[in-house]
Amino acid sequence: DAGVTQSPTHLIKTRGQQVTLRCSPKSGHDTVSWYQQALGQGPQFIFQYYEEEERQRGNFPDRFSGHQFPNYSSELNVNALLLGDSALYLCASSPGDRNSPLHFGNGTRLTVT
Amino acid sequence: SQQGEEDPQALSIQEGENATMNCSYKTSINNLQWYRQNSGRGLVHLILIRSNEREKHSGRLRVTLDTSKKSSSLLITASRAADTASYFCATDGTGRRALTFGSGTRLQVQP
Repeated sequence: DAGVTQSPTHLIKTRGQQVTLRCSPKSGHDTVSWYQQALGQGPQFIFQYYEEEERQRGNFPDRFSGHQFPNYSSELNVNALLLGDSALYLCASSPGDRNSPLHFGNGTRLTVT
Repeated sequence: SQQGEEDPQALSIQEGENATMNCSYKTSINNLQWYRQNSGRGLVHLILIRSNEREKHSGRLRVTLDTSKKSSSLLITASRAADTASYFCATDGTGRRALTFGSGTRLQVQP
């Protein structure tokens, strides 16, 4: 039973470019959350998707957008990249029950130069 | 902004000793969870304690929750070198389905 998988594992982009990160949730999970983790910090909530809709959003600008597909997989898109967007981007899935723990992928390390 | 703050930020102990880390949060919660993260990897869920519970055990882990003080502690007994990692508390709450993480405690267990 595969856990949460994210691709790519590493990515280098130039300031101003756009990036798409992908996530496949754990089997049986229908809710996907995205987090940004800067070096030495805790994960910061970006948004959560459920039934292909954005259910909740954190304090991130509109440059950050997402999508969830009918098979529950998800994408995170970031436009007009800034140097400060360099971080580890983590995807987490859950079965939707608010008392269920999150299952995390190993993240995508994004470097913006 | 972080909902929770862990204390201490960093902790170094010898193998076999106990490690205690604390978490404070700001708003009412439904439950509080602890996660572990090895360097550069994803987070792994350790334990969940509901707001109506005061203490919970799982193997070498003991978690306490004091909702009146808005604080929690994680105790790892008989630590091992393999326990070296960062530990985060996370909370949800009224109107917040998504988990909000603290800034973490970096634990180093010396063999």
